[in-house]
Amino acid sequence: GAVVSQHPSRVICKSGTSVKIECRSLDFQATTMFWYRQFPKQSLMLMATSNEGSKATYEQGVEKDKFLINHASLTLSTLTVTSAHPEDSSFYICSASVRARTDTQYFGPGTRLTVL
Amino acid sequence: AQTVTQSQPEMSVQEAETVTLSCTYDTSENNYYLFWYKQPPSRQMILVIRQEAYKQQNATENRFSVNFQKAAKSFSLKISDSQLGDTAMYFCALNDMRFGAGTRLTVKP
Repeated sequence: GAVVSQHPSRVICKSGTSVKIECRSLDFQATTMFWYRQFPKQSLMLMATSNEGSKATYEQGVEKDKFLINHASLTLSTLTVTSAHPEDSSFYICSASVRARTDTQYFGPGTRLTVL
Repeated sequence: AQTVTQSQPEMSVQEAETVTLSCTYDTSENNYYLFWYKQPPSRQMILVIRQEAYKQQNATENRFSVNFQKAAKSFSLKISDSQLGDTAMYFCALNDMRFGAGTRLTVKP
């Protein structure tokens, strides 16, 4: 089956620093990748959709200057949390699909971000 | 606006029995896709089953089946012969990546 990896799985950083999370599709080329945020005991909230080679589309209420998304290749998308604050602490999950939003999503294992 | 509603925050079932999780949705699109995903304690999201709205036949994957009622905008998941490994959060989703609030299912031995 299709495998998506995320790195790191856990990261702790100081307030004000930036953190980069990588999402890779290991055995398929992903036209579209998605980034989600999940608070404890809550559902997944879509943050943005990224298509290879173009700018990401952010959901309403998500600060694009704070959550920088780059989808430089068909197998790699990165999420950079800039000037992180404690309220950015959360579980971040990426997913990838071969074709489009209607296609099955393959999810990464998630990244636990803790901002001190 | 497209919405997905799961009205059962928690459910439990005895091992080997059958359980049904409910999901209703709202969309203005005529052609769309619906999904059930499972999130076990490891937090890895796993696709359980997928339904294409233009197909009248309900999707089935081994012990998992759906009851898709397009007119009622209902998409319930039936798990037969429940196993301990089915214990997880279950999320219903529309193809625009809109997820329901989730149902926590516990399978009891």
